[in-house]
Amino acid sequence: EDKVVQSPLSLVVHEGDTVTLNCSYEVTNFRSLLWYKQEKKAPTFLFMLTSSGIEKKSGRLSSILDKKELFSILNITATQTGDSAVYLCAVLPGANSGYALNFGKGTSLLVTP
Amino acid sequence: NAGVTQTPKFQVLKTGQSMTLQCAQDMNHNSMYWYRQDPGMGLRLIYYSASEGTTDKGEVPNGYNVSRLNKREFSLRLESAAPSQTSVYFCASSEARQGGYGYTFGSGTRLTVV
Repeated sequence: EDKVVQSPLSLVVHEGDTVTLNCSYEVTNFRSLLWYKQEKKAPTFLFMLTSSGIEKKSGRLSSILDKKELFSILNITATQTGDSAVYLCAVLPGANSGYALNFGKGTSLLVTP
Repeated sequence: NAGVTQTPKFQVLKTGQSMTLQCAQDMNHNSMYWYRQDPGMGLRLIYYSASEGTTDKGEVPNGYNVSRLNKREFSLRLESAAPSQTSVYFCASSEARQGGYGYTFGSGTRLTVV
């Protein structure tokens, strides 16, 4: 059975802190791993990772994939209150699953002033 | 604006009532999906349609039926609503060739069954 496990499930930090969110997976047919940010509405796309060891970066957010150890991390540096959200990790399998994303339960991040 | 349109945005049903959630996309995507989201559960796949004319069960299909009416539209039907179906429902579409980059979500339907 395919699994996507995120940790921690929730996190409270102060503005300016750096956070690392974890995602491990077990899937029979891996194609890509995706990160989304969700703020009380539909998820918004952050990153898609397909190759090991290549860091994707967007402003204060970065992410990397380890296909040997089957995990990914999402880093947020110099956190701001606007980073408060649920961060979802999802694995994209191959065509035989209709390209349906398999989501983890999410990490709820609260950044306090 | 191009994207995925879901209707209605909010709905309250009584136990045993039926309803259909509508979803339409105008991006000419092949694949469409229905997810539900419950607190602390991420998004769980109900049904998907890899292409027009095909539908398949996802992780939590019980109590639901779907119809891929044409390439644009993918509806989700609750024949006899139960309180356990209280959730936020998201429709999504993707272009298979683009993989994850082509994934677009609708704005969601908040359904309460009393």
